Amino acid sequence: DVKVTQSSRYLVKRTGEKVFLECVQDMDHENMFWYRQDPGLGLRLIYFSYDVKMKEKGDIPEGYSVSREKKERFSLILESASTNQTSMYLCASSPPGRREKLFFGSGTQLSVL
Amino acid sequence: QKEVEQNSGPLSVPEGAIASLNCTYSDRGSQSFFWYRQYSGKSPELIMFIYSNGDKEDGRFTAQLNKASQYVSLLIRDSQPSDSATYLCAPLGSSNTGKLIFGQGTTLQVKP
Repeated sequence: DVKVTQSSRYLVKRTGEKVFLECVQDMDHENMFWYRQDPGLGLRLIYFSYDVKMKEKGDIPEGYSVSREKKERFSLILESASTNQTSMYLCASSPPGRREKLFFGSGTQLSVL
Repeated sequence: QKEVEQNSGPLSVPEGAIASLNCTYSDRGSQSFFWYRQYSGKSPELIMFIYSNGDKEDGRFTAQLNKASQYVSLLIRDSQPSDSATYLCAPLGSSNTGKLIFGQGTTLQVKP
């Protein structure tokens, strides 16, 4: 089974803190994604990566950055957390040639106070 | 206009009935369409996809696509309480980045 592991299930941070959300997949997938999910707004793509060292902005990249130094790991960074970044963050990966076949991690519920 | 529109529901059906979940999309260039199911408190999982106009059946699930009307639907026959979940419609965008565009989802409740 594909396993996408997110480092924390729940996280509470203060406004202005730098926040790292880690995601690791064990299926040698090239493609990795970060989404946030908010009630009434659905799943929104923040950043994605189709290869190591490669990153592309999604639909809502403002306030976020990412790092992909190794194929299996994709990190989301909130440079200076704000209350409007309180959300459920979902990492996903997909196999080569099947970018749409997403395997999601269990999510990180981030609260910024 | 939203890129992908779904009625948020909840859609309530009795056990054994047919549940019909509908989705419209704005990108005329979309060629592939995906349905993800998300149980409460869990992450989405892919359950169906369709590329061609018409119907595609997989067990109790049927995906229907009408590209001219920019309309895709998911039918669940013999609905079970275990089908209670939120169903996300996701066309694949026509840009070369190949991104899925998720709708907000329709919450289905199957009552015993």
